[in-house]
Amino acid sequence: EVQLVESGGGLVKPGGSLRLSCEASGFTFNNAWMSWVRQAPGKGLEWVGRIKSKTDGGTSDFAAPVKGRFTISRDDSKNSLYLQMNSLKTEDTGVYYCTRYCSSASCFHYFDYWGQGSLVTVSS
Amino acid sequence: IVLTQSPATLSFSPGERATLSCRASQSVTTKLAWYQHRPGQAPRLLIYDVSNRATGIPARFSGSGSGTDFTLTISSLEPEDSAVYYCQQRADWLTFGGGTKVEIK
Repeated sequence: EVQLVESGGGLVKPGGSLRLSCEASGFTFNNAWMSWVRQAPGKGLEWVGRIKSKTDGGTSDFAAPVKGRFTISRDDSKNSLYLQMNSLKTEDTGVYYCTRYCSSASCFHYFDYWGQGSLVTVSS
Repeated sequence: IVLTQSPATLSFSPGERATLSCRASQSVTTKLAWYQHRPGQAPRLLIYDVSNRATGIPARFSGSGSGTDFTLTISSLEPEDSAVYYCQQRADWLTFGGGTKVEIK
């Protein structure tokens, strides 16, 4: 059974930093492209960024609102994904979901598994 | 690409048919998916590339459309279909619509 479990959320002041982790199980993590998607309170879903598998270059890409402030990394030996968030703003408040890109070529660039989410609150 | 979902909320009785709309600000061809998000649960992929059901999704869920106008149809609503439904495009990076909440009373 595929599982994605996020951790590391909490309360942080504006300008601060926080690192989220996502522990994956039930699939071959090192082959997977992974992503973070967030949801601000009362709002819809917003793609944050992604990291490719090392086989596909291991590079990451980000949405404009977080580019230059957030980084994504992975440790395939630990089946883990990370989101390092720096220079946090109040508008970064929300639930952050760890997601897996669909492993089948036919549904690639959609997300077939999601974690339960980790709440990040940026407030003074 | 901006995805607009309307209306924001729909209310139905069990057994009724629901039709949800998603409109794109420019053509996404057929690169559009639908997700279901129940309260307190992880979102679930329902439909990808407009009309392909994801693994384990019941046949009462179907999708249609192309270009800029898309529809998710739930043919006969069940109580567990109460959720927020989001569309997502992959034609130009990735964006989601604002969601439509389906209430079943």
